[in-house]
Amino acid sequence: DVKVTQSSRYLVKRTGEKVFLECVQDMDHENMFWYRQDPGLGLRLIYFSYDVKMKEKGDIPEGYSVSREKKERFSLILESASTNQTSMYLCASSFVGSYNEQFFGPGTRLTVL
Amino acid sequence: AQSVAQPEDQVNVAEGNPLTVKCTYSVSGNPYLFWYVQYPNRGLQFLLKYITGDNLVKGSYGFEAEFNKSQTSFHLKKPSALVSDSALYFCAVRDQGTNAGKSTFGDGTTLTVKP
Repeated sequence: DVKVTQSSRYLVKRTGEKVFLECVQDMDHENMFWYRQDPGLGLRLIYFSYDVKMKEKGDIPEGYSVSREKKERFSLILESASTNQTSMYLCASSFVGSYNEQFFGPGTRLTVL
Repeated sequence: AQSVAQPEDQVNVAEGNPLTVKCTYSVSGNPYLFWYVQYPNRGLQFLLKYITGDNLVKGSYGFEAEFNKSQTSFHLKKPSALVSDSALYFCAVRDQGTNAGKSTFGDGTTLTVKP
């Protein structure tokens, strides 16, 4: 089975802190994604990566950056956390090709105080 | 630009009755369409997808979906609902002609199946 793991299920940070969310997949997928999920807003794409060291902005990249140094690992960075970044963050991966489904991690619920 | 609409925030059905969760989409080219399910406190799980060919797609857990190009719809269906089907369901679309990475998700529909 494909497995996508995220470093934390729950995280509490203070405003202004730098926050790292880590995601690892074990199926040699080329594509990796970071979404945030908010009630009534569905999933919104923050960033995605289609290869090592390659990244593209999604729909809501402001306040976030990403890093992909190895194929299996995709990190989301909040440079200076703010309260409006309190959310559920979901990582996903897939094989290249737009017909391929995504496999999701369990999510990280981040609270910024 | 691509978009997805799930017109119902909530769907309630009795166990054993058929269920339908609605999805309409908009893309400039031809679509790839997906349904995902999210159980409480878990990530999304893939249910089924439409790529091409037969308009009726069968997926996991007895779910199926019908692609209707003229109505730009991809409704999720199940002939007989189970209490364990209660979850949050998301429809997603990708335009075949655009960047492989970007999917657009609907806002989600909460399905509640009552015993």
